[in-house]
Amino acid sequence: DAGVTQSPTHLIKTRGQQVTLRCSPKSGHDTVSWYQQALGQGPQFIFQYYEEEERQRGNFPDRFSGHQFPNYSSELNVNALLLGDSALYLCASSLSGTGGHEKLFFGSGTQLSVL
Amino acid sequence: AQSVSQHNHHVILSEAASLELGCNYSYGGTVNLFWYVQYPGQHLQLLLKYFSGDPLVKGIKGFEAEFIKSKFSFNLRKPSVQWSDTAEYFCAVNAKAAGNKLTFGGGTRVLVKP
Repeated sequence: DAGVTQSPTHLIKTRGQQVTLRCSPKSGHDTVSWYQQALGQGPQFIFQYYEEEERQRGNFPDRFSGHQFPNYSSELNVNALLLGDSALYLCASSLSGTGGHEKLFFGSGTQLSVL
Repeated sequence: AQSVSQHNHHVILSEAASLELGCNYSYGGTVNLFWYVQYPGQHLQLLLKYFSGDPLVKGIKGFEAEFIKSKFSFNLRKPSVQWSDTAEYFCAVNAKAAGNKLTFGGGTRVLVKP
């Protein structure tokens, strides 16, 4: 049973560029959440997708956008990259229910470095 | 600002010692509480959770946590740690007052010396 898979594992970009990160949820899961984890900090909620729509959003600017596909996989897009966007980006999947947060299964993350 | 606070950033202890990690949150009303763990080189995984009922919850690998509503706390405990408990531990809160968004604390790195 495949868990949550994310690609790529590592990425280096320069300021002003755009980046797309990808996530495939655990088999049977329909909800995908994205988190940003800066070095030495806990994960911060970016947004959550369910039924191909953004259901919730954290305190992140509009430069951060996402998409969910009919097969429940998801993408996170970040435009106009800033140095401060350097972080580990985590994808977590779950089953819809209690707001989708009952039990999250996390991927290993994409380490984004912005130079 | 509403938040989740973990008191210790780093904890170092010897095998067989007892472990207690503090977690406090500032949300009122209904909350769901979680502890997640990240072992070296692995992804985050759920250790235990509290939604309702008995405020003392038991999780995997001998961990337990106690919800004390009056203190807005959800501390994690293990009576006797093993070297394999070396990991980073994150407290997380899903509060209706915060729109049911899962908010994580800053994490506590635990190093168990053999």
